[in-house]
Amino acid sequence: GNSVTQMEGPVTLSEEAFLTINCTYTATGYPSLFWYVQYPGEGLQLLLKATKADDKGSNKGFEATYRKETTSFHLEKGSVQVSDSAVYFCALKKAAGNKLTFGGGTRVLVKP
Amino acid sequence: NAGVTQTPKFQVLKTGQSMTLQCAQDMNHNSMYWYRQDPGMGLRLIYYSASEGTTDKGEVPNGYNVSRLNKREFSLRLESAAPSQTSVYFCASSVGLAESYEQYFGPGTRLTVT
Repeated sequence: GNSVTQMEGPVTLSEEAFLTINCTYTATGYPSLFWYVQYPGEGLQLLLKATKADDKGSNKGFEATYRKETTSFHLEKGSVQVSDSAVYFCALKKAAGNKLTFGGGTRVLVKP
Repeated sequence: NAGVTQTPKFQVLKTGQSMTLQCAQDMNHNSMYWYRQDPGMGLRLIYYSASEGTTDKGEVPNGYNVSRLNKREFSLRLESAAPSQTSVYFCASSVGLAESYEQYFGPGTRLTVT
């Protein structure tokens, strides 16, 4: 079946540090890949997406590239802010499917 | 626009009690979803409704029932709560199933079953 694996957190960083959150997936065919973010006390919201191999999704300074050869979709941000403290979820959706499969989430804490 | 609203925000139940979690969306979305979120396990789909009048099981439906009351509202019922149902419950909606990659989530209900 489909599955998404993320690095376990929490990840603690200082402001302006570089952030990487690893995400790998298992799925047949060519799924679409997503990153969702959950800020404290809120529901999840879509951060970025990529629908085919080598696509790069980007939003709010975050980027992730769909790597078919390594089945990965790592999230990166060059300079984090305190306001980026949140839980980040990697997810996939199969081309013929209509449901999202989520990873376990990675908590990120950015300290001033 | 309120988006997706959920009530209550917090609830404590004793084993065997029943309750209904309410969800409503004002975005005229066709599809709605119920998830549970447990530490380290991400979100797992309990039930979903592709459109008004239809409901389908997700990954973990046992112990739950749902009702799509109308296009706006989708409720989740626990008939006889168990400690294993202690979790945070999220309702979400999307334009349709084809757009299920972009779901809009409510703020969640934290449920504790003692």
